[in-house]
Amino acid sequence: DSGVTQTPKHLITATGQRVTLRCSPRSGDLSVYWYQQSLDQGLQFLIQYYNGEERAKGNILERFSAQQFPDLHSELNLSSLELGDSALYFCASSVGEGGFTEAFFGQGTRLTVV
Amino acid sequence: TQLLEQSPQFLSIQEGENLTVYCNSSSVFSSLQWYRQEPGEGPVLLVTVVTGGEVKKLKRLTFQFGDARKDSSLHITAAQTGDTGLYLCAGARGGKLIFGQGTELSVKP
Repeated sequence: DSGVTQTPKHLITATGQRVTLRCSPRSGDLSVYWYQQSLDQGLQFLIQYYNGEERAKGNILERFSAQQFPDLHSELNLSSLELGDSALYFCASSVGEGGFTEAFFGQGTRLTVV
Repeated sequence: TQLLEQSPQFLSIQEGENLTVYCNSSSVFSSLQWYRQEPGEGPVLLVTVVTGGEVKKLKRLTFQFGDARKDSSLHITAAQTGDTGLYLCAGARGGKLIFGQGTELSVKP
């Protein structure tokens, strides 16, 4: 158990819908990272937050947004969903802001868009 | 184009054999990490290498960071069926952790 909790574990929804994925980081970790993993793209970095503020942005679509709340949990919002958004979405947390000492990953949310 | 290229993408070997997985880039990284991911789980960190030329050993696994900090390798000695999984290298750059495509390792009994 990495200490990072993601909910839900599985999500099936229709095209055009909006979903929210939730992540609780390890106790004491201030940074939260979101990744998308698909068979053809591998693990793609989406966005990072540190202590409530956005720190780094990757290949995140405009239809996607995220935030980190004062209690440090984070949510990833995916809207106007398309079939191609079907993937595993992982959250990771670390103590520091960047440079990476060690990132701990949650078990992921498997999103299926039908 | 992947910033980090891993090779091979797939590897199927017999138990007891040795193997090496490579992670190459044209860019310099402040550190490189190796993760192992099993189906349905998130990646789990195996090791972080920071200094060019650094070699780290974790039981049967040996990790090396290139002198120029652009590449790394993972060598497994006497592979076991429990080593089966997806091995990912990741480089820290500009606050982001960038992953390679991974090497899918299958160790057969």
